Amino acid sequence: GNSVTQMEGPVTLSEEAFLTINCTYTATGYPSLFWYVQYPGEGLQLLLKATKADDKGSNKGFEATYRKETTSFHLEKGSVQVSDSAVYFCALSDRYGNNRLAFGKGNQVVVIP
Amino acid sequence: DTGVSQDPRHKITKRGQNVTFRCDPISEHNRLYWYRQTLGQGPEFLTYFQNEAQLEKSRLLSDRFSAERPKGSFSTLEIQRTEQGDSAMYLCASSLETGGLNTEAFFGQGTRLTVV
Repeated sequence: GNSVTQMEGPVTLSEEAFLTINCTYTATGYPSLFWYVQYPGEGLQLLLKATKADDKGSNKGFEATYRKETTSFHLEKGSVQVSDSAVYFCALSDRYGNNRLAFGKGNQVVVIP
Repeated sequence: DTGVSQDPRHKITKRGQNVTFRCDPISEHNRLYWYRQTLGQGPEFLTYFQNEAQLEKSRLLSDRFSAERPKGSFSTLEIQRTEQGDSAMYLCASSLETGGLNTEAFFGQGTRLTVV
């Protein structure tokens, strides 16, 4: 079945530092890949997406590239802000099937001023 | 459209009581999904509807859980005889399926259930 693996543990970094969160996946067919962000006490917001190999999703300074050869979709941002502190979830779905999402466990990101 | 809305935002209930949550999807979306998220974990799929038909249920959805979408618009999720292990955030999402292709899913803010 479909599954997503995110790097273990929270990520703590200083303002303006470079952020990378690793995500790898296992899937059959042709999944779409997503990054969702969750702020404290809130639901999920779609941050960015990519629907086919080599696509790059980007939004609010965040980027991720769909790498089929390494089955990865790593999230990056060149200069984080305190307001980027949140939990980030990598997810995939099959656009041509039931479209249900399989999520990773998430990574807490804390940006220190 | 105001997006996906869920009600209530928070619910505290005593063990053994029944609870019901409501989800109003984006109006033109024909698919509606329920997920459960426990502390420190990613959301897990529970069930989904295409219009009023419930097409798939996860093994996580025990017989104490029932979901409906009677007119293909809003949906309800009921938990009977709640247990402390049911404490979680319950998330609703919707998407549009046309010709076999789906848009991305949009999520509501969730209902946080605490069973005491």
